[in-house]
Amino acid sequence: EPEVTQTPSHQVTQMGQEVILRCVPISNHLYFYWYRQILGQKVEFLVSFYNNEISEKSEIFDDQFSVERPDGSNFTLKIRSTKLEDSAMYFCASSVGGVGNEQFFGPGTRLTVL
Amino acid sequence: GENVEQHPSTLSVQEGDSAVIKCTYSDSASNYFPWYKQELGKGPQLIIDIRSNVGEKKDQRIAVTLNKTAKHFSLHITETQPEDSAVYFCAASRGNQFYFGTGTSLTVIP
Repeated sequence: EPEVTQTPSHQVTQMGQEVILRCVPISNHLYFYWYRQILGQKVEFLVSFYNNEISEKSEIFDDQFSVERPDGSNFTLKIRSTKLEDSAMYFCASSVGGVGNEQFFGPGTRLTVL
Repeated sequence: GENVEQHPSTLSVQEGDSAVIKCTYSDSASNYFPWYKQELGKGPQLIIDIRSNVGEKKDQRIAVTLNKTAKHFSLHITETQPEDSAVYFCAASRGNQFYFGTGTSLTVIP
């Protein structure tokens, strides 16, 4: 069964450093998402991406964040200058369609900012 | 924006009993309500969903009910099994953005 994959599974970085989290969505999916889950808290929406542009973003997704689909298969989340409060589990998801379609989630990348 | 509340945060049931998890939402425009199961070390996986034009949906031992007037929806798991033990999240959406509840840790005691 096709699945969303994410790398790395765990990333440790120093505050102020840039990190890139990588995702490979399911191959025939057209919509891509990033969510984060701070330990013990809700899963929170960050951004959705369709047709090579951001379609929706939350207030969490500020100028420190960017997304890219660099090569037609990968979908990346970049955090330019990490802060301690960026420590969280980051989930990538993809779906065939947009509104009202099932989103398939990857296993997540645990980001630890020291 | 949308606010989704989920109760209880933890739930323990004996194997074979039923489990019920409840969620409320605030945005009356929300029209899609998925339920996800998250096992340790894995991402959330959809187990059932319901749209706002339907009041109830069932899939084997799992059912979801939706009350649009009261803005609440519930997950019902019957004949629980130890493999049902996981964290369950409800969500609400009206666009591409999902708003998740805080999760319910379900433990099924053999």
